[in-house]
Amino acid sequence: QKEVEQNSGPLSVPEGAIASLNCTYSDRGSQSFFWYRQYSGKSPELIMSIYSNGDKEDGRFTAQLNKASQYVSLLIRDSQPSDSATYLCAVSQASGNQFYFGTGTSLTVIP
Amino acid sequence: EAGVAQSPRYKIIEKRQSVAFWCNPISGHATLYWYQQILGQGPKLLIQFQNNGVVDDSQLPKDRFSAERLKGVDSTLKIQPAKLEDSAVYLCASSSSFYSPLHFGNGTRLTVT
Repeated sequence: QKEVEQNSGPLSVPEGAIASLNCTYSDRGSQSFFWYRQYSGKSPELIMSIYSNGDKEDGRFTAQLNKASQYVSLLIRDSQPSDSATYLCAVSQASGNQFYFGTGTSLTVIP
Repeated sequence: EAGVAQSPRYKIIEKRQSVAFWCNPISGHATLYWYQQILGQGPKLLIQFQNNGVVDDSQLPKDRFSAERLKGVDSTLKIQPAKLEDSAVYLCASSSSFYSPLHFGNGTRLTVT
């Protein structure tokens, strides 16, 4: 079982819609959870971090964490074409503090 | 604050040649990571340093890859000899403390022919 799993997509949504990205992780003791955005040919860029159960909102982005279900999600409201990218879920595990990344979900926002 | 610096940005070598990548983390960041990202995949951790000590190198192919972080600042990742399957982007990242987010450099795109 992979440490972090994401649907690879591709996910397509129309401009203005809500994009929902999901991630599950295997280490129940994981402490920190991050969403990165990666444009083609660029390096990952941090967009959200979440450390406790519940929702965390930052502008059009909302991260949701459910440690009991070992699930973290990212919602993008009012999606824009500039949001088209690959979104990587990253989890910091309890032992050794390794950061594991999922394979990423490719998002396309259609104008 | 200056970001994570990496060089070179691009490198093309033939198989069985050697190559080295350099990384300078954000000032004051004790933790440094090297990741390999193959096209279409997520970043794969190769090695993690805390200051100048290795925290995790379990996924580093030690028969051909080596890395060091002398004086706990700059780091160098070396491949010798390179194989075709080493073609990837090599990302360096740093963080200020355990559980803090990673900040990535621009990466080095390696092509092995």
